[in-house]
Amino acid sequence: SAVISQKPSRDICQRGTSLTIQCQVDSQVTMMFWYRQQPGQSLTLIATANQGSEATYESGFVIDKFPISRPNLTFSTLTVSNMSPEDSSIYLCSVADSNTGELFFGEGSRLTVL
Amino acid sequence: AQSVTQPDIHITVSEGASLELRCNYSYGATPYLFWYVQSPGQGLQLLLKYFSGDTLVQGIKGFEAEFKRSQSSFNLRKPSVHWSDAAEYFCAVAPNTGNQFYFGTGTSLTVIP
Repeated sequence: SAVISQKPSRDICQRGTSLTIQCQVDSQVTMMFWYRQQPGQSLTLIATANQGSEATYESGFVIDKFPISRPNLTFSTLTVSNMSPEDSSIYLCSVADSNTGELFFGEGSRLTVL
Repeated sequence: AQSVTQPDIHITVSEGASLELRCNYSYGATPYLFWYVQSPGQGLQLLLKYFSGDTLVQGIKGFEAEFKRSQSSFNLRKPSVHWSDAAEYFCAVAPNTGNQFYFGTGTSLTVIP
């Protein structure tokens, strides 16, 4: 199983600012995934981060709003840019075990935008 | 495009009663199927998964799920619900292992004494 660490675990941000979330995995993985879970909602895939190439974004999500970095096989960052209250969510980093198929999640980063 | 539907937003059952949570998917081929549980304030925990083979799969905490290709369904069941089962349940699909998952909207389970 993979152990995933996310920072910050929670933050309160002002409208118009940006925040970068860090995700560290204890093993090398090809793909890392960023999800958003809005209050009372399910998980929505934001993008897939591949090492050495640009992230692949899902419909409704754009790079300008959610820039992603993937400098190596164990680390990724997600930035939430120009935040508004609608961006208040839990943001989750995850990796999939290609052998077992299980998706492992970080603890999540709970962002509140005022 | 793939999609996952959980028709029941919220279900209430009595402790000791049986439970069935519905999940339907839309995908070109048979995807990999999963059920996750999220207790209040907690992360997601994998209950069970289906890749191939026996269409009835057993999971943790006494849960099982049955894959029905003809109905594109993967319903979760438990014969006797415990109060600690109160949580949010998510069905998810993935095209194959190692790829991104797509989650259903979730079913919130309340267990009453």
